[in-house]
Amino acid sequence: DAKTTQPTSMDCAEGRAANLPCNHSTISGNEYVYWYRQIHSQGPQYIIHGLKNNETNEMASLIITEDRKSSTLILPHATLRDTAVYYCIVRVAGAAGNKLTFGGGTRVLVKP
Amino acid sequence: KAGVTQTPRYLIKTRGQQVTLSCSPISGHRSVSWYQQTPGQGLQFLFEYFSETQRNKGNFPGRFSGRQFSNSRSEMNVSTLELGDSALYLCASSFPTSGSPNTGELFFGEGSRLTVL
Repeated sequence: DAKTTQPTSMDCAEGRAANLPCNHSTISGNEYVYWYRQIHSQGPQYIIHGLKNNETNEMASLIITEDRKSSTLILPHATLRDTAVYYCIVRVAGAAGNKLTFGGGTRVLVKP
Repeated sequence: KAGVTQTPRYLIKTRGQQVTLSCSPISGHRSVSWYQQTPGQGLQFLFEYFSETQRNKGNFPGRFSGRQFSNSRSEMNVSTLELGDSALYLCASSFPTSGSPNTGELFFGEGSRLTVL
């Protein structure tokens, strides 16, 4: 699986959009971009994933650059409950199994 | 729909003992994977089971083992516990679709926090 690079931490004001960048310059054509988050002392929670098109669900939006070497997770209106560690993961989807390689993630602190 | 259930949630053991952790996946999910989380190493993949067979294995010593039962429930065992085995052990389940790309969404349990004294 391709390696990802994320900022170690970032702060965000409550009610504002949080934009979390991820660099995955060695991504290959059959690798998807996944985002998970982990709220303190809980198991990671799936947020969203995509291959090449931008994706949106009830939690967030995922913007993938045209060359697929980077992406941005957008939390449109951050709340205090969005304080968590956010992980960007790149992996092949298919019969290869469900091994996820977690990096250090971005520690997001939403402030009132 | 019930989520992934892990038991026990907390346990304390001493060095040299062994421990067994249990994971009940979401109903219908056939893949179960295990992760270890420590402050120093972060989240690391241990192994994955699918249809009672180990499909992937991480870089952990043979003291770490697991199995999956016919009802997809899984257990992992750590023998001859060391202080460094103190960690949060997380189980995740998923339902691989056939004939189409595995979307790869994993559902994690709350974890079993093991303390080795």
